Amino acid sequence: DGGITQSPKYLFRKEGQNVTLSCEQNLNHDAMYWYRQDPGQGLRLIYYSQIVNDFQKGDIAEGYSVSREKKESFPLTVTSAQKNPTAFYLCASSTHDGVSNQPQHFGDGTRLSIL
Amino acid sequence: AQKVTQAQTEISVVEKEDVTLDCVYETRDTTYYLFWYKQPPSGELVFLIRRNSFDEQNEISGRYSWNFQKSTSSFNFTITASQVVDSAVYFCALSDRPGGSYIPTFGRGTSLIVHP
Repeated sequence: DGGITQSPKYLFRKEGQNVTLSCEQNLNHDAMYWYRQDPGQGLRLIYYSQIVNDFQKGDIAEGYSVSREKKESFPLTVTSAQKNPTAFYLCASSTHDGVSNQPQHFGDGTRLSIL
Repeated sequence: AQKVTQAQTEISVVEKEDVTLDCVYETRDTTYYLFWYKQPPSGELVFLIRRNSFDEQNEISGRYSWNFQKSTSSFNFTITASQVVDSAVYFCALSDRPGGSYIPTFGRGTSLIVHP
């Protein structure tokens, strides 16, 4: 079945450690996104990529990094510079036809906590 | 300033009641898109509807209906005869292109609790 797979479902980070969240899609979508969800805050955009080997910062990119080496993969690294990483992270993808904005498809999310 | 405002943080109803979730947006673009998503306890957001700024027709899909009014910059969502399975967090989103690319901005969500 086509969809977005995020792993792991739960992740724990130690102080000073970088961790990487995986996001893979088999929908052949060009655009991929990472959001952070905190209680009462809605979804806030961290990074997005509209094409392979290109990505843009969102509203809260500090302390995070991404790569887009393959169309189907968009991993997010939470670096030690992110001092408050505890949150629910959602990956999404959509077609990108350059004219209109298509709905996003979301993964099941990764819940990151600090040890 | 928030681009998408969902003023209702939490709504609690009893099964079979009708409920309306409010969404007010702000944009300077003449072309934009509005969305509603549902987030059940499992966490994955599920797409419900997309509307573009040139289509003000209201839409009905089963027990769901949407009222888009450009005059008040609102895109409200009504569930008729609510059911326990409707319990979820609902997000309204706006996609405009101030920097040249359509990037969605989400509201803070409304948590709907439907009691049996």
